Amino acid sequence: EVQLVQSGAEVKKPGESLKISCKGSGYTFTNFWVGWVRQMPGKGLEWMGIIYPGDSDTRYSPSFQGQVTISADRSISTAYLQWSSLKASDTAIYYCARQIPVADAFDVWGRGTLVTASS
Amino acid sequence: EIVLTQSPGTLSLSPGERATLSCRASQSVTSNYLAWYQQKPGQAPRLLIYGASSRATGIPERFSGSGSGTDFTLKISRLEPEDFAMYYCQQYEASPRTFGQGTKVEIK
Repeated sequence: EVQLVQSGAEVKKPGESLKISCKGSGYTFTNFWVGWVRQMPGKGLEWMGIIYPGDSDTRYSPSFQGQVTISADRSISTAYLQWSSLKASDTAIYYCARQIPVADAFDVWGRGTLVTASS
Repeated sequence: EIVLTQSPGTLSLSPGERATLSCRASQSVTSNYLAWYQQKPGQAPRLLIYGASSRATGIPERFSGSGSGTDFTLKISRLEPEDFAMYYCQQYEASPRTFGQGTKVEIK
């Protein structure tokens, strides 16, 4: 079964760093782009960026460029999303998702990681 | 950046009725690089349609997508109880990829 398993919920203080993960299984991880999508409380979906684990080619939305870092470790089939200094406004659910080759749409999604940044 | 505007914001219908959801792009999505997703409360989104009209694996035939250029439509021929949810369109014509703000299909 193809799946993406995300790390658990996090509660951090503003200013702290954080790295969340997304582990792929059931398919060749290095052959598919993996993206990250933000959903703030009660709001819609926002495309943050994507990474190709095969060569770590990474693309960011201008809205998130410089705010987060997307990376991957292909040896353990895992993609990451990290912050060096969280803000309260980073509170959201973050989904990772696999991009299908025939179209840059996301066909497999993780269950989401809730990140809460609060003092 | 391509802005996607979905309408209506909320669609109130009864089971068995037909639903028509609209997604309008601020500039032409020339290669029909448009997808539709369904999201239920507390769940991750699910891909329904890609390439404007191709159903994803396992998606029932009652879901259909159409359109081109700047105007796209998702139709649900006969609403089942499990179809009441949020629906989002997404374009992958240009970077950055963008989503619409969503249409909520609720039980009337």
